[in-house]
Amino acid sequence: GAGVSQSPSNKVTEKGKDVELRCDPISGHTALYWYRQRLGQGLEFLIYFQGNSAPDKSGLPSDRFSAERTGESVSTLTIQRTQQEDSAVYLCASSSLRLAGEQFFGPGTRLTVL
Amino acid sequence: DQQVKQNSPSLSVQEGRISILNCDYTNSMFDYFLWYKKYPAEGPTFLISISSIKDKNEDGRFTVFLNKSAKHLSLHIVPSQPGDSAVYFCAARGTGANNLFFGTGTRLTVIP
Repeated sequence: GAGVSQSPSNKVTEKGKDVELRCDPISGHTALYWYRQRLGQGLEFLIYFQGNSAPDKSGLPSDRFSAERTGESVSTLTIQRTQQEDSAVYLCASSSLRLAGEQFFGPGTRLTVL
Repeated sequence: DQQVKQNSPSLSVQEGRISILNCDYTNSMFDYFLWYKKYPAEGPTFLISISSIKDKNEDGRFTVFLNKSAKHLSLHIVPSQPGDSAVYFCAARGTGANNLFFGTGTRLTVIP
């Protein structure tokens, strides 16, 4: 399909381990977003990539979180030394718009930290 | 600090009747608002949006109303259909912002 894909769909890890989540945006979309949704909460913005501009990292909760994007394609979100409070669904979205607006979301990665 | 609030976690409506989902926000700098629908195990999908220069936007069965003085918006679905059963998220954007602020969602159940 031509939608946003994410992998893995589920990830269970032990506290202290590092995890890497992957997002494949819609081809041609210059903007890419990462969000997380903890249980009972709304979607929380993490990071934004727009073309070759410097990413907006203002939503990253700690320096254990980082993300990379190669050009206008795949992005990886890395969480180092995972904690139980990192358990959430991590959602990726892409957009052809420069400003935040209509975004196309992937199905998410459910991360469980034991 | 939740800048976008959806105070009703759930709503049940009979098929054919109107569904009204509400959203309140606190930041007067928000200038663009969106509604997303989410089915289980899927990502949210965009439904409808409204700019702060308007007070109403309609798309088929879906209408969004914006009351800037009250910092309140609502989504009306009429007539409601069983396929509308999903979690609905309200989102807002500040002027020139890169990101959206989302509410916690309202689970709509349309009863056949």
